[in-house]
Amino acid sequence: KAGVTQTPRYLIKTRGQQVTLSCSPISGHRSVSWYQQTPGQGLQFLFEYFSETQRNKGNFPGRFSGRQFSNSRSEMNVSTLELGDSALYLCASSPQGQGGRTGELFFGEGSRLTVL
Amino acid sequence: TQLLEQSPQFLSIQEGENLTVYCNSSSVFSSLQWYRQEPGEGPVLLVTVVTGGEVKKLKRLTFQFGDARKDSSLHITAAQPGDTGLYLCAGAGSARQLTFGSGTQLTVLP
Repeated sequence: KAGVTQTPRYLIKTRGQQVTLSCSPISGHRSVSWYQQTPGQGLQFLFEYFSETQRNKGNFPGRFSGRQFSNSRSEMNVSTLELGDSALYLCASSPQGQGGRTGELFFGEGSRLTVL
Repeated sequence: TQLLEQSPQFLSIQEGENLTVYCNSSSVFSSLQWYRQEPGEGPVLLVTVVTGGEVKKLKRLTFQFGDARKDSSLHITAAQPGDTGLYLCAGAGSARQLTFGSGTQLTVLP
């Protein structure tokens, strides 16, 4: 069974630009969650999508947005990039989502974003 | 707000030593998971514990869920350099959202 696939793996942007990251979940998984990981803040929850609907949202500004398609693939977008947005962005899929009994997540390798 | 505190934050030991990592909360969780993350990769699920007092073993790793389902521990016996990584605990609770601990960075020196 193929794992969670994230693209691109690495990217460099400049302040003010926007970026779109893509995530393909494990086949059959309907939930996709996004996290931002930085050395100082650890894993910060961005949002979760389940069957194309945003189920939960973390405490991030509106510059961070996402969506999920009918095939469960998901994208997240960050507009007007700031230096502080430099981070590893992780996508995780789950059969039933974080609200399930165990809420187990299967992570991709991440997209490393550097903002200059 | 449910919080999970992990300790220690950093741990550097010699190959062959034993160690324990703790994950504590004042909240009750329906289940708790442990993940390991290696540099440049995403976290990988190691184990899920569901029942209070439950103990699970994965080779040299022993995971325990507290009786009250508020805390958990990870014990590694005879650590090896391949155990090096960031260990994360995560609890599933009433918020329908996983709560992650801040992580324990383990370095095992050969």
